[in-house]
Amino acid sequence: QKEVEQDPGPLSVPEGAIVSLNCTYSNSAFQYFMWYRQYSRKGPELLMYTYSSGNKEDGRFTAQVDKSSKYISLFIRDSQPSDSATYLCAMSKGSNYQLIWGAGTKLIIKP
Amino acid sequence: IAGITQAPTSQILAAGRRMTLRCTQDMRHNAMYWYRQDLGLGLRLIHYSNTAGTTGKGEVPDGYSVSRANTDDFPLTLASAVPSQTSVYFCASSEGGELFFGEGSRLTVL
Repeated sequence: QKEVEQDPGPLSVPEGAIVSLNCTYSNSAFQYFMWYRQYSRKGPELLMYTYSSGNKEDGRFTAQVDKSSKYISLFIRDSQPSDSATYLCAMSKGSNYQLIWGAGTKLIIKP
Repeated sequence: IAGITQAPTSQILAAGRRMTLRCTQDMRHNAMYWYRQDLGLGLRLIHYSNTAGTTGKGEVPDGYSVSRANTDDFPLTLASAVPSQTSVYFCASSEGGELFFGEGSRLTVL
């Protein structure tokens, strides 16, 4: 079993919908949780960064961490075609530890 | 601002050939990384370097070597390429926990 599980999709939703992307993990020592966005034929770029449990909001994006369930989510409100990309979750035990990555979920927003 | 520059962008290589993927950063970050990305497997760490002059092995180091002679450059070498090394390779650097990636090098080994 992988340390971090992420449904590869693709997930296809109409423009304007609320999108929910999720990852589950098995290592309770993870403290840092990140979401990266990767456009086709580009490198990943950091979208959201959360430490420990709770929610973090940035514009249309909300990252949520539930450490008791070992489950993290990324919500996208008012989704746009420009949000079409692969979203990768990543997590680590600390700032000096290597990141463990999910496989990525491909998201398609239909106009 | 260039950030991370990788070369070549893509390459087709015969099995058994030697290949070096180049990576240069202009952000003066201490830590640098090489990942490979394969469909369904996500990003897997090949080698890393916490500072110039030091390197370490990641999750999938076999068949690959790196060097870090200075802060800016972190080349990845395949000594004798095999078809299973067909992948997209990403170089990255980090600052404050955030990784900054290059645009990738697509390598096909036939």
